[in-house]
Amino acid sequence: NAGVTQTPKFRVLKTGQSMTLLCAQDMNHEYMYWYRQDPGMGLRLIHYSVGEGTTAKGEVPDGYNVSRLKKQNFLLGLESAAPSQTSVYFCATTHSRSQHFGDGTRLSIL
Amino acid sequence: GDSVTQMEGPVTLSEEAFLTINCTYTATGYPSLFWYVQYPGEGLQLLLKATKADDKGSNKGFEATYRKETTSFHLEKGSVQVSDSAVYFCALSGPNAGGTSYGKLTFGQGTILTVHP
Repeated sequence: NAGVTQTPKFRVLKTGQSMTLLCAQDMNHEYMYWYRQDPGMGLRLIHYSVGEGTTAKGEVPDGYNVSRLKKQNFLLGLESAAPSQTSVYFCATTHSRSQHFGDGTRLSIL
Repeated sequence: GDSVTQMEGPVTLSEEAFLTINCTYTATGYPSLFWYVQYPGEGLQLLLKATKADDKGSNKGFEATYRKETTSFHLEKGSVQVSDSAVYFCALSGPNAGGTSYGKLTFGQGTILTVHP
C-alpha cells in the first residue's frame, strides 16, 4: 500500500519484553490510527491521533502506548508484552472519509 | 455504542455464482458505510463506500446500497471470480455532520470468501 509503511513486518517477542512498532505516511494526512486484527473479531481500534502531538484512546488501549511527535510518524509501544497481545497490527490514515492501511505487522508473544 | 454485524462465513462459491454478504449496523446519527477487502498477507483496501441514505457504492462489479430503514449495507456481485477470494469487512464511521468521530472505523468481524474454478 503506497503511502503507509509499517516496520517491522514480523516480530517474535518473549513475555515481558518491550518493543515499538513504527508507522510512517507520506501523504500529509492529519489523522492516524492503530488497529489490531484478531480472528473472528475484525479490527479493533487501539489508539488514534488527530494531529502532531495529539493521541487518544480507542476501544482496546490497555497495555499499549503511542506517540505522534512528527506528523508523518505514529509509534505504537508495548512496554511489557503479554501473550494476549499476539495479533496483526495495522496502521491507517484518513483521507476523504476513507482510511488507507499499511500492510500490517504480525506480532507473536511467546 | 456503534456496532456492525456481518453474516458469518466462510462463504464458498463456484466461479460465476452470485454473491451476497449481509451487513447490518447500529449507530447514532448518520454514519458513512464502507466495504473493505483484504487479500492474503496484505492490508485492507477500500472496496466501496456510501455516505448517505439510498446511496449506492460500486467498484469492480461489487455493489452495496445504504438502507437506513433496515440499517443495512449488503454487498453483492453478480458473477464472482477466483480472484475475488479474500476477506471482506463491513465498517462504519461516525455521523456525517462534522461530528467528533475523527474518522474512526467500527468493523464487522469479517467474512471469508473462497471462490472455486
